Amino acid sequence: GQQLNQSPQSMFIQEGEDVSMNCTSSSIFNTWLWYKQDPGEGPVLLIALYKAGELTSNGRLTAQFGITRKDSFLNISASIPSDVGIYFCAGRYNNNDMRFGAGTRLTVKP
Amino acid sequence: ETGVTQTPRHLVMGMTNKKSLKCEQHLGHNAMYWYKQSAKKPLELMFVYSLEERVENNSVPSRFSPECPNSSHLFLHLHTLQPEDSALYLCASSLRTGANVLTFGAGSRLTVL
Repeated sequence: GQQLNQSPQSMFIQEGEDVSMNCTSSSIFNTWLWYKQDPGEGPVLLIALYKAGELTSNGRLTAQFGITRKDSFLNISASIPSDVGIYFCAGRYNNNDMRFGAGTRLTVKP
Repeated sequence: ETGVTQTPRHLVMGMTNKKSLKCEQHLGHNAMYWYKQSAKKPLELMFVYSLEERVENNSVPSRFSPECPNSSHLFLHLHTLQPEDSALYLCASSLRTGANVLTFGAGSRLTVL
């Protein structure tokens, strides 16, 4: 159904490295969102995508809405220690419930 | 501080206890939500309220009972929970139901012994 498969499940990287994570589904969505959850906090919206093919940046973060409408990716360039946290993708089709992926846990080693 | 405040932040309870989680927002949002977050699983939507009326109940066991006395406050009453109910319970709000931007609280970490 509208299950979102997010990968990788976790990443351990060195400070300064670039990061790439993605989210796929067998269903189409017309909105993709990326949230970040800092340790001990709730998720906070990073980027929202509303059109197939759309590429949007927010500082060092770049996200794309896949052409097939069944996937999205998030890239982080030149990672820093405060990038640590759990990154969730989320998708919505029309007025259906928002679906979340299981998250990618990012650890950044100084 | 996101504007959505949850209390308590941590709660330990026995299976026979009755407790409540509280959520408060003064963002002027009309929709409020309860989500359950378990490790390595997607966020699970439990309940949705729009202007104090429950619009969705996603097959949640009756041991979880929500209450929305006004558009700024949301409660989750807990009774005779099971150990597998231990999780982080997140409250969120949005301008209206169906909005894509959710504002989350920091969550209430629940442990059921």
